[in-house]
Amino acid sequence: DAGVTQSPTHLIKTRGQQVTLRCSPKSGHDTVSWYQQALGQGPQFIFQYYEEEERQRGNFPDRFSGHQFPNYSSELNVNALLLGDSALYLCASSLKGSGQETQYFGPGTRLLVL
Amino acid sequence: GNSVTQMEGPVTLSEEAFLTINCTYTATGYPSLFWYVQYPGEGLQLLLKATKADDKGSNKGFEATYRKETTSFHLEKGSVQVSDSAVYFCALLGGGSQGNLIFGKGTKLSVKP
Repeated sequence: DAGVTQSPTHLIKTRGQQVTLRCSPKSGHDTVSWYQQALGQGPQFIFQYYEEEERQRGNFPDRFSGHQFPNYSSELNVNALLLGDSALYLCASSLKGSGQETQYFGPGTRLLVL
Repeated sequence: GNSVTQMEGPVTLSEEAFLTINCTYTATGYPSLFWYVQYPGEGLQLLLKATKADDKGSNKGFEATYRKETTSFHLEKGSVQVSDSAVYFCALLGGGSQGNLIFGKGTKLSVKP
């Protein structure tokens, strides 16, 4: 049973560029959430996708956008990168309506903005 | 709003010592509570969870009890090993339509042989 997968594992970009990160959920899951984890901090919620729509959003600017595909996989896009966007980006999947909605995390994508 | 407060680290213990990492929360409604563990250079792994008051989550020798009266979910292990060295995060998932996990800042545990 495949767990949550993310690609790429590492990425280096320069300020002002755009980046796309990808996530495939755990088999049987239909909901994908994205988190940003700065060095030495706990993860911060970016947004959650279900049924191909953004259902909930954290306190992140519009430069952060996403998409969910019919196969439940998801992308996180960040435009106009800032140095402060350097972080570990974590994807988590869950099953909506399961009563507990436990989130399982992927290994993350480490983004460095120079 | 909902929040999680964890004891600050780092925590350094000798192998076979008893571990407690304190976690308290503020939440409306009936949240679910979680402990996640992060090994160096990796993502988060679910360690244990509890979904209602007085539930005890357990896994790999770790335990935590959901205490509504003290709004706490302290993590304990009777005898730690070097392989338990990692960062531990307490988190809550709000009830109802709230789908986002709220994390504490994490507690780094180092276990010395």
